[in-house]
Amino acid sequence: AQSVTQPDIHITVSEGASLELRCNYSYGATPYLFWYVQSPGQGLQLLLKYFSGDTLVQGIKGFEAEFKRSQSSFNLRKPSVHWSDAAEYFCAVATYNNNDMRFGAGTRLTVKP
Amino acid sequence: DAGVTQSPTHLIKTRGQHVTLRCSPISGHKSVSWYQQVLGQGPQFIFQYYEKEERGRGNFPDRFSARQFPNYSSELNVNALLLGDSALYLCASSSGTGLEQYFGPGTRLTVT
Repeated sequence: AQSVTQPDIHITVSEGASLELRCNYSYGATPYLFWYVQSPGQGLQLLLKYFSGDTLVQGIKGFEAEFKRSQSSFNLRKPSVHWSDAAEYFCAVATYNNNDMRFGAGTRLTVKP
Repeated sequence: DAGVTQSPTHLIKTRGQHVTLRCSPISGHKSVSWYQQVLGQGPQFIFQYYEKEERGRGNFPDRFSARQFPNYSSELNVNALLLGDSALYLCASSSGTGLEQYFGPGTRLTVT
């Protein structure tokens, strides 16, 4: 079965600094990969997704992620972090019919002024 | 357009009781999935329904059940509640069994 590892439980960055959140997945076939963001007490909002094609995908709020099959990774990046980006970020992997989406444990992002 | 809605927002139950959580998908979406998110963890897949049929089930005990109605709304039922069932229960809808899921705000269940 597929699985996701987010190695960083908590990351702190200064406002305006760049950000990279790591995600490693395990899945035998071509994975469908996602990044979601969750603010306190809220549901999940989809930032971006990778199904196939161009390995660099653009998402909302200035986020992008790169799929690297050789490294089984799908890291999330943002060139300049804003205070409003402080939240919990989840990477997820799914099968083609999405009947068992697996999430990582999440990375909590703190943004310093 | 309205997003995924869930009710109630919060719920407090006692061990051994039964609970029903409700979800209304985005208009036009025929697939609904349920997830359990324990504090400090990522969501865990419980069920997926599509066109009123169960299409996927996660590793949860038989105390958990769900159904989908002709209007595509869904209920999640949990019997014989345990303290460990305390969590945020998330519902997500999609236009089909693929892939882009939209999540509701969740129902916070506390079992005492």
